[in-house]
Amino acid sequence: TQLLEQSPQFLSIQEGENLTVYCNSSSVFSSLQWYRQEPGEGPVLLVTVVTGGEVKKLKRLTFQFGDARKDSSLHITAAQPGDTGLYLCAGALAGGTSYGKLTFGQGTILTVHP
Amino acid sequence: NAGVMQNPRHLVRRRGQEARLRCSPMKGHSHVYWYRQLPEEGLKFMVYLQKENIIDESGMPKERFSAEFPKEGPSILRIQQVVRGDSAAYFCASSPTESGSSHFGSGTQLSVL
Repeated sequence: TQLLEQSPQFLSIQEGENLTVYCNSSSVFSSLQWYRQEPGEGPVLLVTVVTGGEVKKLKRLTFQFGDARKDSSLHITAAQPGDTGLYLCAGALAGGTSYGKLTFGQGTILTVHP
Repeated sequence: NAGVMQNPRHLVRRRGQEARLRCSPMKGHSHVYWYRQLPEEGLKFMVYLQKENIIDESGMPKERFSAEFPKEGPSILRIQQVVRGDSAAYFCASSPTESGSSHFGSGTQLSVL
């Protein structure tokens, strides 16, 4: 059983389309982070959200943390081929030893076609 | 400001040998985390260390695996008597505080022949 369910697992879209990736759990998280990982490399941090209901924007990317801090979403507007990659959500469970002890979702492989 | 540095990038060992993976955290970061990514699986937490202390090793196998973060020098993840099932990508992350965001290194790909 996956503690952090990420969906969809695969996403193939055309350039210019919008998309949303979801991360859901029945557990409460102190913080939630979104990463992007390229083949053969480590995850690169995109954003950290810590407050329930928090919304953060990073250019065409919008991140939201659920009010109950159990879920999060990543929305990309007008996707570009350069957005292609593996996107990971990762959360630190409330009451855990550290915000750095992360539970990862399975990841979403995004492909944006020109 | 250099990021998290891991070496070697690739490590090949024969069954029964020892593997030593090194991680130098970002400057100013004193919290280090090790993760393992098995083929076709997601990243799994192994161990959390601060300087000279293991804080949480709940994700680390009880036998053959050990980790340290000495006062001077990099953090070391040591795997004794490696088996084929240890083949994986091992990632290190660091943060400035226990509530800071984690930044990852490029990983060490361990292959056991």
